[in-house]
Amino acid sequence: AQKITQTQPGMFVQEKEAVTLDCTYDTSDQSYGLFWYKQPSSGEMIFLIYQGSYDEQNATEGRYSLNFQKARKSANLVISASQLGDSAMYFCAMREGRVGGFKTIFGAGTRLFVKA
Amino acid sequence: EPEVTQTPSHQVTQMGQEVILRCVPISNHLYFYWYRQILGQKVEFLVSFYNNEISEKSEIFDDQFSVERPDGSNFTLKIRSTKLEDSAMYFCASSDPHHGTGGLMGNQPQHFGDGTRLSIL
Repeated sequence: AQKITQTQPGMFVQEKEAVTLDCTYDTSDQSYGLFWYKQPSSGEMIFLIYQGSYDEQNATEGRYSLNFQKARKSANLVISASQLGDSAMYFCAMREGRVGGFKTIFGAGTRLFVKA
Repeated sequence: EPEVTQTPSHQVTQMGQEVILRCVPISNHLYFYWYRQILGQKVEFLVSFYNNEISEKSEIFDDQFSVERPDGSNFTLKIRSTKLEDSAMYFCASSDPHHGTGGLMGNQPQHFGDGTRLSIL
């Protein structure tokens, strides 16, 4: 069965510094996608970045990058140059890659606090 | 940028009443989903919908729940007889079949609406 683990319930980072949010996953599928979402206090879910299991390069999207280590089954999110607006809940998620795009499994989330 | 829209943003309903949550997915997307998030907890998958039928559902999605795409643009979640434990944020999401890697096995990112907060009294 699929499983997503985020071991950091809360993280603090100084403004302008980089921070890494950990995510490990478990799946027996060869084809899958890994995603990160941001949920501010207002509640909406904002898609940040994704990595396909067959992608050889780590995904990057502006200040977000995904440190994908397939053998270790980890997909850590790196936020560079943190901003106060980055304070939010961050969810790692995974979906098996099949026609039909089925369910996504979410981790428990990491709450990030950016300090001025 | 196109976005998924959900209405209403907040719904208050008496226990036992039926409720319909509405979503307008991104127009060229073909896969649709409902998730829920009980306050302070993780996001849970409810159901996925493709080609006018349910493609997968979780154990949460019991006979009290149903989904429909009535007119080609809206995607609705109906809860027939609400219970107190149905109180949660409900998110609709959609994805594009042509985005992602791996051809037909593409891992399309899902784009979420802002959610409907459902409060059962």
